[in-house]
Amino acid sequence: GAVVSQHPSRVICKSGTSVKIECRSLDFQATTMFWYRQFPKQSLMLMATSNEGSKATYEQGVEKDKFLINHASLTLSTLTVTSAHPEDSSFYICSRSGSYTEAFFGQGTRLTVV
Amino acid sequence: QKEVEQNSGPLSVPEGAIASLNCTYSDRGSQSFFWYRQYSGKSPELIMFIYSNGDKEDGRFTAQLNKASQYVSLLIRDSQPSDSATYLCAVKGGYNFNKFYFGSGTKLNVKP
Repeated sequence: GAVVSQHPSRVICKSGTSVKIECRSLDFQATTMFWYRQFPKQSLMLMATSNEGSKATYEQGVEKDKFLINHASLTLSTLTVTSAHPEDSSFYICSRSGSYTEAFFGQGTRLTVV
Repeated sequence: QKEVEQNSGPLSVPEGAIASLNCTYSDRGSQSFFWYRQYSGKSPELIMFIYSNGDKEDGRFTAQLNKASQYVSLLIRDSQPSDSATYLCAVKGGYNFNKFYFGSGTKLNVKP
């Protein structure tokens, strides 16, 4: 069964509003979780590493004030897309590491900004 | 130069045939190599991983790694229409030890 649960699976929001995406580790306390973004027919691009109890580490080119990450507990990380614009429309996926360094992914969130 | 390169495809094979998917990577220090399957609109799911040179078999799937050539492949035997998906190669380790680098994926079509 799924080891990472992501919610919502789909969201449509108006331009200028904020959207929160939740990612839960179901079977394992995860001190570190990861957020990716995937545009159509493109690779997964790591946006940031979410660290429990401390600030997230953002990849180069990712606006930390626009993509707010909170990892308040060992099982929950959230990504908030603030002041969303149509170009933020994408597939957002969270993950955590497994026992053998592999990544387990959440179901993904399809964000459409209109 | 992309860290991980894959042919985008589509790769079309008839049902029952062997599908061969290839991937090259640029960071010679990479240590872990993964194959993920991604159906349209879904998140990736792990098929298998390999760390050492050579072959690793799991059911109908065989991963092959050649670190000298910086090359990793996935063979799917007895391909089924349900195998039709995009296959992502991922590499971890090397310069950025904890970071995954994903290829853009190869789309596989298995024709009944």
